[in-house]
Amino acid sequence: IAGITQAPTSQILAAGRRMTLRCTQDMRHNAMYWYRQDLGLGLRLIHYSNTAGTTGKGEVPDGYSVSRANTDDFPLTLASAVPSQTSVYFCASSESWVTDTQYFGPGTRLTVL
Amino acid sequence: TQLLEQSPQFLSIQEGENLTVYCNSSSVFSSLQWYRQEPGEGPVLLVTVVTGGEVKKLKRLTFQFGDARKDSSLHITAAQPGDTCLYLCAGGVARGGGSNYKLTFGKGTLLTVNP
Repeated sequence: IAGITQAPTSQILAAGRRMTLRCTQDMRHNAMYWYRQDLGLGLRLIHYSNTAGTTGKGEVPDGYSVSRANTDDFPLTLASAVPSQTSVYFCASSESWVTDTQYFGPGTRLTVL
Repeated sequence: TQLLEQSPQFLSIQEGENLTVYCNSSSVFSSLQWYRQEPGEGPVLLVTVVTGGEVKKLKRLTFQFGDARKDSSLHITAAQPGDTCLYLCAGGVARGGGSNYKLTFGKGTLLTVNP
């Protein structure tokens, strides 16, 4: 059982470059989420998706975009990376948008120089 | 905006000692979850409490949800080096109208248990 996979594991990126973080789940969960985790700030929600075809903004959406073409995949795109987007990014999923238990992927460590 | 204050932020203890981590808010939550996170990995759910006053035990870990559902605690008895990790609390609020069940995370408690 894979659960949630994220790619890449880590990445160093030049400022201004475009980057897509990949997230795939095999649990057939309807809801998916992207968080960033920063020291002293905890986990903050970037974007979410209730179900395939729908997305919504979280607490810190600026500079990020998402898409949900199907149930399994929820990529996060940084159109033009900036150093403040240096963080660890976690993808998560839950059975539906009305359930509380979220399952997290292993994370992507992104450094923007 | 609902905030969860988690304390202490850092805790370093000796093997065999007991400890308590607190999670407090001025807001009421529908549920309160506790996660543990190992370095380089994502958070893993330990427990969910949903009823005011509820107490759940997981081996040496005891979780309690406050009567008013505004606070929670995690108590570890006879801590072991394997308990070393980041502990996160997260409060859940059920929102109507098709909106997401929103989780608000505390900033975490980094526990180190020294042999």
